[in-house]
Amino acid sequence: KAGVTQTPRYLIKTRGQQVTLSCSPISGHRSVSWYQQTPGQGLQFLFEYFSETQRNKGNFPGRFSGRQFSNSRSEMNVSTLELGDSALYLCASSPDGQPGLDTQYFGPGTRLTVL
Amino acid sequence: GIQVEQSPPDLILQEGANSTLRCNFSDSVNNLQWFHQNPWGQLINLFYIPSGTKQNGRLSATTVATERYSLLYISSSQTTDSGVYFCAGATGTASKLTFGTGTRLQVTL
Repeated sequence: KAGVTQTPRYLIKTRGQQVTLSCSPISGHRSVSWYQQTPGQGLQFLFEYFSETQRNKGNFPGRFSGRQFSNSRSEMNVSTLELGDSALYLCASSPDGQPGLDTQYFGPGTRLTVL
Repeated sequence: GIQVEQSPPDLILQEGANSTLRCNFSDSVNNLQWFHQNPWGQLINLFYIPSGTKQNGRLSATTVATERYSLLYISSSQTTDSGVYFCAGATGTASKLTFGTGTRLQVTL
């Protein structure tokens, strides 16, 4: 099976712009989670989607949003970009046969730079 | 939420040496994973190990759930083992993983 894929891999934006990142889970996986990794804060959970519904949310401002499509692909959007949004954004998928107990598999990430 | 502590934060080994990485949790977890982050940023799954012991080649892991810690053993280290190792846990039925701050391993010739 193909792994989790994320597009684009690299992105440069300027402050105030918005950005959309895409994640395609492993075939058959229904849960998609997003994480942000920065040198200062480490790896932090953004949100999780299952069956097109947000099931869990981390402590991020409302500028961070996401959605999931019927084929389980997910997108996350960041509006009004700030310099502090520069980070590696990682997507993970899991089968969700047993919620919370499944192994999560991560994609290669999207490295976002905000200038 | 749970807190995850990893030790040591940094480790330098000569090729062929063995090492033990530790992960402590502030609360019981029912999902515990170890990852290796490669230089390009991808998190590679090593173990899903909420309890017990598992081995995969030169790597093995042990989780003592009742004492809320997990250990990752790397034997006969190779330069390709270099990178950052993370443990992460989750509680209940949430898929939200809480990560430790990682152990940065450098294996030298």
